[in-house]
Amino acid sequence: DAGITQSPRHKVTETGTPVTLRCHQTENHRYMYWYRQDPGHGLRLIHYSYGVKDTDKGEVSDGYSVSRSKTEDFLLTLESATSSQTSVYFCAISGGLQVEAFFGQGTRLTVV
Amino acid sequence: DQQVKQNSPSLSVQEGRISILNCDYTNSMFDYFLWYKKYPAEGPTFLISISSIKDKNEDGRFTVFLNKSAKHLSLHIVPSQPGDSAVYFCVEYGGSQGNLIFGKGTKLSVKP
Repeated sequence: DAGITQSPRHKVTETGTPVTLRCHQTENHRYMYWYRQDPGHGLRLIHYSYGVKDTDKGEVSDGYSVSRSKTEDFLLTLESATSSQTSVYFCAISGGLQVEAFFGQGTRLTVV
Repeated sequence: DQQVKQNSPSLSVQEGRISILNCDYTNSMFDYFLWYKKYPAEGPTFLISISSIKDKNEDGRFTVFLNKSAKHLSLHIVPSQPGDSAVYFCVEYGGSQGNLIFGKGTKLSVKP
């Protein structure tokens, strides 16, 4: 299994509070991604990183920011959480010659 | 407009029979597709892929077929087993940054 760890695995937070989700990899892969999964939508890309301090927006980036100060860590921040951001968040990594990405176990975030 | 369409939200088959999961796509720059499998409370896991230079790729019980002229691909599972019960995502490779474009998924139930 690819070495990806997401933390926390579950979180309940109040509307308007900041929240940071962490993704940690031990594979030294160049690319890291944050997706969210919602009923009826599959997985949608929020932000991705193609190197340290190199990030770009995905399909549903509004309300989210990311940072990557080290190869192994990719942080997703909700500056002011809203109920529409209640979702399951997945981190993924890819690199080398492989096209496929490997996913973490997910973080279930509930905004009340 | 959704790029990858899985029009069947669910599929139920008997153990030992064939499962056929279908996927249609609109425009694809890379004609490279993947199938992911997802169990509840876990991250998606890569199953099989196919590139435009092939019309079929086989891996054990799993075969993916690609019909470029019809912009259609399908995943065949033979024989189906109860452990195959999961949500299957048809995924398009999105480009050099490695991002993936997911369909909404098909929930497969294999009954003993």
